[in-house]
Amino acid sequence: EPEVTQTPSHQVTQMGQEVILRCVPISNHLYFYWYRQILGQKVEFLVSFYNNEISEKSEIFDDQFSVERPDGSNFTLKIRSTKLEDSAMYFCASSEYRDRGDEQYFGPGTRLTVT
Amino acid sequence: GQNIDQPTEMTATEGAIVQINCTYQTSGFNGLFWYQQHAGEAPTFLSYNVLDGLEEKGRFSSFLSRSKGYSYLLLKELQMKDSASYLCAVLIYNQGGKLIFGQGTELSVKP
Repeated sequence: EPEVTQTPSHQVTQMGQEVILRCVPISNHLYFYWYRQILGQKVEFLVSFYNNEISEKSEIFDDQFSVERPDGSNFTLKIRSTKLEDSAMYFCASSEYRDRGDEQYFGPGTRLTVT
Repeated sequence: GQNIDQPTEMTATEGAIVQINCTYQTSGFNGLFWYQQHAGEAPTFLSYNVLDGLEEKGRFSSFLSRSKGYSYLLLKELQMKDSASYLCAVLIYNQGGKLIFGQGTELSVKP
């Protein structure tokens, strides 16, 4: 069964450093998403992406965040200058459609720890 | 604003039936999803409702009433491996589809 993959599984970084989280969505999917989950809290939407553009972003997704699809397979989330409060599990997801009942498939996540 | 409420935790016995409720008030609605999440893992899809009524999928069923802003997930013949967090999420499509999640219900299945 096709799956979304993410690397690395765990990233430790110092405050103020830049990090890039990588995702490979399912190959025939066209819509890509990033979510985050702070430990013990709910899953929160960050951004959706389609046709090489951001479709929608949340209030959390400020100027410190950016997304990119640098090639035909990878989808990345960059945090320019990490803060302690960016420590969370970051999930990438993809779907074939965006407004139908097609489920969003989640990757295993990258645990980001900012020290 | 977006508001999705579900109980924080529930306990049930192996072999029993449990119902997890979810109420929502959101700025849009394009369907309601239920996901299962084990600790430290990604959410995995369980069910989807867009029209009112019951959707059955093996041991899992989900119900939706759009007029009441209410859904429930029914788990039958509970197994120990069903111990997990169950997430209610509303799909909202504006420019791009996004899932708005509730806090999750931590279900403990006891022998």
